[in-house]
Amino acid sequence: GENVEQHPSTLSVQEGDSAVIKCTYSDSASNYFPWYKQELGKRPQLIIDIRSNVGEKKDQRIAVTLNKTAKHFSLHITETQPEDSAVYFCAASSGQGAQKLVFGQGTRLTINP
Amino acid sequence: DTAVSQTPKYLVTQMGNDKSIKCEQNLGHDTMYWYKQDSKKFLKIMFSYNNKELIINETVPNRFSPKSPDKAHLNLHINSLELGDSAVYFCASTSMGDYEQYFGPGTRLTVT
Repeated sequence: GENVEQHPSTLSVQEGDSAVIKCTYSDSASNYFPWYKQELGKRPQLIIDIRSNVGEKKDQRIAVTLNKTAKHFSLHITETQPEDSAVYFCAASSGQGAQKLVFGQGTRLTINP
Repeated sequence: DTAVSQTPKYLVTQMGNDKSIKCEQNLGHDTMYWYKQDSKKFLKIMFSYNNKELIINETVPNRFSPKSPDKAHLNLHINSLELGDSAVYFCASTSMGDYEQYFGPGTRLTVT
């Protein structure tokens, strides 16, 4: 089955700097790669996603890149702000019928003012 | 206007008891999920239902039994609760063929 590895487990950056979180996946059939943000005590919320027919997607300060050959994808957050502090999860699924999301271990991102 | 709701939000119970968690979505979705988030924040899928039919059943102890009375509701019943069942349980929903899953607020289960 699918296995998703996420690094780093914790990341601390200065406000205004960029943050990058990386994930690798094992199943070459995976075709959907979402990123979720989870604030303390809250539900995971989708912040950006990418499908396997696209190499890069951007939404304001957030971007995701996908390298299908190497089977890895990354989340880039630019101009970080204190409200970006949260746990971020990557996930992958094959999209065959029901979406069975397999999550990475999570990255705790702290933005230092 | 809560899209995916869960009850209760917190559940504290003793080992050996039986408890249920309920989930409801008003998004018109036909597919619902249960996820478990353990103390290390790891999120793992447990079950998925599509139009009341079980379609994903991960390696979960038989003590966990999901039930979907209709496509807007998915419940999780847990028998003979154990300490290791302590976790946050999230419900999620989507439409078959769509990609984004919408998560409920979670139910924090504590077994003492």
